[in-house]
Amino acid sequence: AQKITQTQPGMFVQEKEAVTLDCTYDTSDQSYGLFWYKQPSSGEMIFLIYQGSYDEQNATEGRYSLNFQKARKSANLVISASQLGDSAMYFCAMGLIYNQGGKLIFGQGTELSVKP
Amino acid sequence: DGGITQSPKYLFRKEGQNVTLSCEQNLNHDAMYWYRQDPGQGLRLIYYSQIVNDFQKGDIAEGYSVSREKKESFPLTVTSAQKNPTAFYLCASSSSPLQYSNPNYGYTFGSGTRLTVV
Repeated sequence: AQKITQTQPGMFVQEKEAVTLDCTYDTSDQSYGLFWYKQPSSGEMIFLIYQGSYDEQNATEGRYSLNFQKARKSANLVISASQLGDSAMYFCAMGLIYNQGGKLIFGQGTELSVKP
Repeated sequence: DGGITQSPKYLFRKEGQNVTLSCEQNLNHDAMYWYRQDPGQGLRLIYYSQIVNDFQKGDIAEGYSVSREKKESFPLTVTSAQKNPTAFYLCASSSSPLQYSNPNYGYTFGSGTRLTVV
């Protein structure tokens, strides 16, 4: 069975510092994608970054980078230079691209609070 | 601009009543999904559809029903059999197969419906 685990229910970080949000996954599929989403209090899901299972380089999108360690089945999100607006829930998700309808499997989320 | 529209944003239901949540997309996506989110929790898949007139149960389908009569629409009915329906419901869509050139890698989410049983 496929599973996403986020072990940090809540995290605090000082403004302008970097923070790492942990994500481990479990799947026997070889072809999959890993996603990170931000969910502010409004509830919308904001796409942050994507990593494909065959991508050799870690994905980066502005202040977001994904530390992909395939052998350890981890896909941690690194946010550099935290801003007050980064305070939100963050979800790691896995998409099994070529079967199971492309559905996303989500972790429990990490609530990030940025302190001024 | 293309996107997904969920309505209503807030919905109140009396116990024992069925209620239908609307989800419409104009992205020409083949696949659509319904997720449920409880406070402080991740999203759990209720139903998904890869093509018109076909859909599959997700992890928590009991007490819910769906239809996919049109490519653009995937309504979710929360029936009276759903024992704890108060939650935040999110609809999503994706191309099939996923388009990796898309900045969102093919997944688009609606803004959600908050359902409360009163």
